[in-house]
Amino acid sequence: DTGVSQDPRHKITKRGQNVTFRCDPISEHNRLYWYRQTLGQGPEFLTYFQNEAQLEKSRLLSDRFSAERPKGSFSTLEIQRTEQGDSAMYLCASSSDSYLPYEQYFGPGTRLTVT
Amino acid sequence: AQKITQTQPGMFVQEKEAVTLDCTYDTSDQSYGLFWYKQPSSGEMIFLIYQGSYDEQNATEGRYSLNFQKARKSANLVISASQLGDSAMYFCAMREVGGSNYKLTFGKGTLLTVNP
Repeated sequence: DTGVSQDPRHKITKRGQNVTFRCDPISEHNRLYWYRQTLGQGPEFLTYFQNEAQLEKSRLLSDRFSAERPKGSFSTLEIQRTEQGDSAMYLCASSSDSYLPYEQYFGPGTRLTVT
Repeated sequence: AQKITQTQPGMFVQEKEAVTLDCTYDTSDQSYGLFWYKQPSSGEMIFLIYQGSYDEQNATEGRYSLNFQKARKSANLVISASQLGDSAMYFCAMREVGGSNYKLTFGKGTLLTVNP
């Protein structure tokens, strides 16, 4: 039973470049969440998918951010025209509606550094 | 809006002793869930324990227990018999039970250091 995986684990990019992160959830999980965690803070919700449908986006998710979950499997989070303020850990989590208490299982995160 | 407050930025405990990590929450919802997660230096969030707002008994999972005081809106985590491997960040989180989005609202966390 594999857990949630994320790729890459670390990304260093220059301001203005585009980056894309990938998340592979636990296979039978229908829900997938993206969170952002900055230094000294807890994770903050960005967006979530139920199967392939993106059902809610946080106001933290500016127009430069886009997320997809084609076919309800893996998900990608793209940031266009990166800014230094985008530097953070991006966490992906998945959960199943079949098992109470619907706890979310997190991946190891992608640490983004924008120089 | 939901809010989680963790007032202890850092805590120290001797190995084999018990430690309590504080968490208070604010919500207008009647139904909600409270979670504790552990985040080692590797970064991955590890689910520890869950308490539902209508659960009458405090949740326990091995060495972890949740001291739930609904009237005071507190959900403190108690770790018994601390081990060196317990050194990590600990986050309290809340989830609204109603609605379709089960997103979590996290506190700022408490850094626990277990001393040998």
